[in-house]
Amino acid sequence: GAGVSQSPSNKVTEKGKDVELRCDPISGHTALYWYRQSLGQGLEFLIYFQGNSAPDKSGLPSDRFSAERTGGSVSTLTIQRTQQEDSAVYLCASSLRDSLGSYEQYFGPGTRLTVT
Amino acid sequence: AQTVTQSQPEMSVQEAETVTLSCTYDTSESDYYLFWYKQPPSRQMILVIRQEAYKQQNATENRFSVNFQKAAKSFSLKISDSQLGDAAMYFCAYRSGLNAGNNRKLIWGLGTSLAVNP
Repeated sequence: GAGVSQSPSNKVTEKGKDVELRCDPISGHTALYWYRQSLGQGLEFLIYFQGNSAPDKSGLPSDRFSAERTGGSVSTLTIQRTQQEDSAVYLCASSLRDSLGSYEQYFGPGTRLTVT
Repeated sequence: AQTVTQSQPEMSVQEAETVTLSCTYDTSESDYYLFWYKQPPSRQMILVIRQEAYKQQNATENRFSVNFQKAAKSFSLKISDSQLGDAAMYFCAYRSGLNAGNNRKLIWGLGTSLAVNP
C-alpha cells in the first residue's frame, strides 16, 4: 500500500503564528513518531503514539508544541506562536510490530517549516 | 543515555570504488538495534541496513555491509562499487530493544554527507 504521507511539503509562516503539520501513517501501523531535523543538529525525537496508550511526549521542546492522533491513524503536530528556532524539517514515521518485534520505522517525506 | 557519534561530516568516493562511513555509539544496554539510513535531497529517509546487537554476524544488503564491533561500540557502513545514486546524507541510528519499554524512538548521529564522483 501507500507509504507515510505528510502535508504540507513546505510551510512558510510568520513568527508568532500557529501551524499544523499532518502525518498520514501506513494503514494498520499502530506506532507513530514525530522527529525534528534541524540544520546542524541532526534528528531529535519529539513524540510517540502507540495504539490507544497515552503518548510519550518526552521529546517535545516546549509547551508550544502539541500533537494528537485521531482514531489511531492520522496525526497532527501543532506549533503555537512559532519562533525562528522552530524552523526545521519535521519527519513522521510509523511502524508495525512484526513477529520479531523489530519495530521497523517507515518515514514520510517530511514538512519543511520556515519561520520568518 | 544513549548517544550516537558520526565523526565524518563529509566523505567522497569515486564511482565504482569502496567507501566506509564510521559510527560509534554509547550505551549500557545489552539489547538494541543499529541502523544506517540514507537521506537523498528528496528528504525521504530510507533504511539501508539493520543490525541486531545479539547477532554476531555482520549484516549485508547487496553492496552495503556493516562492520559491527560490539565491544568497541562501533558500527561502520561499507559501500562497495559506489554508484552516483548513492550520493546522499547517511545517518547512523540506535534503538533500544524489547526490554526497554514500548517507545522505540531512534537516536541519531549527525550524519555524513557522501559525494560520489564520476
